[in-house]
Amino acid sequence: SQTIHQWPATLVQPVGSPLSLECTVEGTSNPNLYWYRQAAGRGLQLLFYSVGIGQISSEVPQNLSASRPQDRQFILSSKKLLLSDSGFYLCAWSVGGRHGYTFGSGTRLTVV
Amino acid sequence: SQQGEEDPQALSIQEGENATMNCSYKTSINNLQWYRQNSGRGLVHLILIRSNEREKHSGRLRVTLDTSKKSSSLLITASRAADTASYFCATDVDNQGGKLIFGQGTELSVKP
Repeated sequence: SQTIHQWPATLVQPVGSPLSLECTVEGTSNPNLYWYRQAAGRGLQLLFYSVGIGQISSEVPQNLSASRPQDRQFILSSKKLLLSDSGFYLCAWSVGGRHGYTFGSGTRLTVV
Repeated sequence: SQQGEEDPQALSIQEGENATMNCSYKTSINNLQWYRQNSGRGLVHLILIRSNEREKHSGRLRVTLDTSKKSSSLLITASRAADTASYFCATDVDNQGGKLIFGQGTELSVKP
């Protein structure tokens, strides 16, 4: 069966520290992968998406970067976190545009 | 950029009543999807309606799509307390490679 793993569930990091959030998918090949951020009480903002290994498209210029070192692994990183990076980060995958996304359980990041 | 906008932002009803949520969007789409999010969790895909479809049913859910008005509605019939969650519409915008653009969501509260 197809599953998506996202960790950690919660993270508290000081300003200026690095960040690495990992997302892995099981049970499918060559998925489209996405990173979204959700501010409190708001909708989801698309940050990055990837249609293949090493292919990353950035939607919003910011303090974050993404990488896809393997087909089913998507990593969200930052070299130096800002207070404004706090939020709920969600990873998702899809296959083509005819089916819905499958989301991970999310990471609650608080930058202090 | 924001594509979908849900209306109302918040909705409170009694168990057994029907809940209707609306979504408007701005550009042509391949399909429109509805998702549910319980507090602090990832999103769960509910239903997808293609641009050439006008109505779709899934259990107690009924979705309509009016491409001439660029709007969609989600109806939950005979609501239950367990339906309490935030509901988001998302559009698969034409020629955008399957990326989903989410609205701000409707927060539904079903009181027992």
